[in-house]
Amino acid sequence: EVQLVESGGGLVQTGGSLRLSCAASGFTFSSYWMHWVRQAPGKGLVWVSRIETDGPYRSYADSVKGRFTISRDNAKNTLYLQMDSLRAEDTGFYYCSRDLIGPDDSWGQGTLVTVSS
Amino acid sequence: QSALTQPASVSGSPGQSITISCLGSSSDIGSYNVVSWYQHHPGKAPKVIIYEVTKRPSGVSNRFSASKSGNTASLTISGLQAEDEADYYCCSFVTGNTYVFGIGTTVTVL
Repeated sequence: EVQLVESGGGLVQTGGSLRLSCAASGFTFSSYWMHWVRQAPGKGLVWVSRIETDGPYRSYADSVKGRFTISRDNAKNTLYLQMDSLRAEDTGFYYCSRDLIGPDDSWGQGTLVTVSS
Repeated sequence: QSALTQPASVSGSPGQSITISCLGSSSDIGSYNVVSWYQHHPGKAPKVIIYEVTKRPSGVSNRFSASKSGNTASLTISGLQAEDEADYYCCSFVTGNTYVFGIGTTVTVL
């Protein structure tokens, strides 16, 4: 069974940092592009970042470019999102997704990030 | 990249059909056959119900169907059921190797 479990969320002050993790199991993690998607309270889904199978090719939404860094450790079957210079508008649930908009699309349950002054 | 345009809400009675539109541009929906639809029940993980414009993953009801014309994608739910009450999002690949979601549509079964 495919499982994606996010962790690392929490309360952080404006300007602070957090690192989210997404532990994958039940499939060959190294074979899939992985994504982060977020949802602010009461708002819609917003794509954040993507990383291809081996790691060098990454892309970001304009709203997080230069502040967030996506990475992966295929040996540990884990996806990461390093979030720096956090702002109030970064508050929300963060989901990791396998193969977003592809035939094997699967999501985790999400982890909540709250940025407060 | 601005969010794709969806109606904020759509409602229907049990057994009826409803259609949700998703308006994009020539940089996303209009240029790529890489559009998906998601069903999202609050508190749960979003679930893909359509990928590559018209394809249904195994296990997804055939009451869900979709299409695309120009810069607009559409999702139709036939034989509406109470369990279909949820938020629905379209998503498209975008020129420049990014992705964009729609603003989301709340479906209410009357």
